[in-house]
Amino acid sequence: EAGVAQSPRYKIIEKRQSVAFWCNPISGHATLYWYQQILGQGPKLLIQFQNNGVVDDSQLPKDRFSAERLKGVDSTLKIQPAKLEDSAVYLCASSPGLAGGFNEQFFGPGTRLTVL
Amino acid sequence: RKEVEQDPGPFNVPEGATVAFNCTYSNSASQSFFWYRQDCRKEPKLLMSVYSSGNEDGRFTAQLNRASQYISLLIRDSKLSDSATYLCVVNRNEKLTFGTGTRLTIIP
Repeated sequence: EAGVAQSPRYKIIEKRQSVAFWCNPISGHATLYWYQQILGQGPKLLIQFQNNGVVDDSQLPKDRFSAERLKGVDSTLKIQPAKLEDSAVYLCASSPGLAGGFNEQFFGPGTRLTVL
Repeated sequence: RKEVEQDPGPFNVPEGATVAFNCTYSNSASQSFFWYRQDCRKEPKLLMSVYSSGNEDGRFTAQLNRASQYISLLIRDSKLSDSATYLCVVNRNEKLTFGTGTRLTIIP
């Protein structure tokens, strides 16, 4: 079974530029997550989708970050404009999203963003 | 106060030794608990769930103390391949909160 796919794997941009990341979850997974992992820290949830609806975006810096999952499958995360402190690994995860118990989240390989 | 706190280490442990990691969480409404493993420059992967009754998976034993809001992981007979960062994770309403991770290096 194919895992969570992400692209690009690496991105280097200058501050104030824009950048977009793409995620393709495991087939059939209803729930999709974007996390930010700064060096030396654990992943921090940015946004959670259930199908194409947003469940939780309380930690998404909405002045510069946006995310969408238009058809309930692929998702994109955009940063505009980027700041130095946005340098991090952006991880996408997906889970089956089934009711009645915990659904294990499966992570993609991440996109490593460096903002200069 | 962070929702999940753990000692970042690093722990440098000789091969074959036993090592224990601890973690505390602040939200008593947390519903389930996990240890994830993250290798250098890789994504986190679920290592094991943690239950109050304690659970064991080979050389790994995890324990939850809900009253103290404390989670532990014990690794026996450590192997070189155990070198990684171990992330303490709590779940509430399908939302995972990760600790900073404890970095473990097994020394030959």
